[in-house]
Amino acid sequence: DTEVTQTPKHLVMGMTNKKSLKCEQHMGHRAMYWYKQKAKKPPELMFVYSYEKLSINESVPSRFSPECPNSSLLNLHLHALQPEDSALYLCASSQRAYNEQFFGPGTRLTVL
Amino acid sequence: GESVGLHLPTLSVQEGDNSIINCAYSNSASDYFIWYKQESGKGPQFIIDIRSNMDKRQGQRVTVLLNKTVKHLSLQIAATQPGDSAVYFCAVSRAGTYKYIFGTGTRLKVLA
Repeated sequence: DTEVTQTPKHLVMGMTNKKSLKCEQHMGHRAMYWYKQKAKKPPELMFVYSYEKLSINESVPSRFSPECPNSSLLNLHLHALQPEDSALYLCASSQRAYNEQFFGPGTRLTVL
Repeated sequence: GESVGLHLPTLSVQEGDNSIINCAYSNSASDYFIWYKQESGKGPQFIIDIRSNMDKRQGQRVTVLLNKTVKHLSLQIAATQPGDSAVYFCAVSRAGTYKYIFGTGTRLKVLA
């Protein structure tokens, strides 16, 4: 299985809602990533988990809260988001650092 | 910090011709380079990678060239096909980090 899956595909939420994005991989990769991508822009790194520990937080606002329950799963908890947070949220995984990343299809998030 | 740029936001080529997409990076410590293809509505898809101990690497219909002296890499696509139409990103990393910095992207349009 060489796939990264993400759910949901689309999410619309209000600014007072709490929601979660989910990412899963079964390739035995030990690094997992969250990226944010705005239209016509490159992906921007948000968080990196390595061996289930948070390794990088790119100064992301606290309304985004990542969680890595086990080596196959990565969640992104969302709370009190702003309309400017609307974007495509991409999950990726890699065997380890310094290796090719496999991306999921993304969750298209709209904040009203 | 690292900055990564692509030379052209859009490249139009005739079907069957060769395509060349260029990327420049700023940090001479960068030593791992990846090319991704992103089709509309999908996550980035790994195409090919190269490490700094190589100047050239070939895949199926694709070649990546790395010039460390001028901090430049290129992606060559042979016999471009309509299915190659997408946005292409280069991404740059270095040993000891999980950070991948993406370039701004080049949209490849294949003309019939």
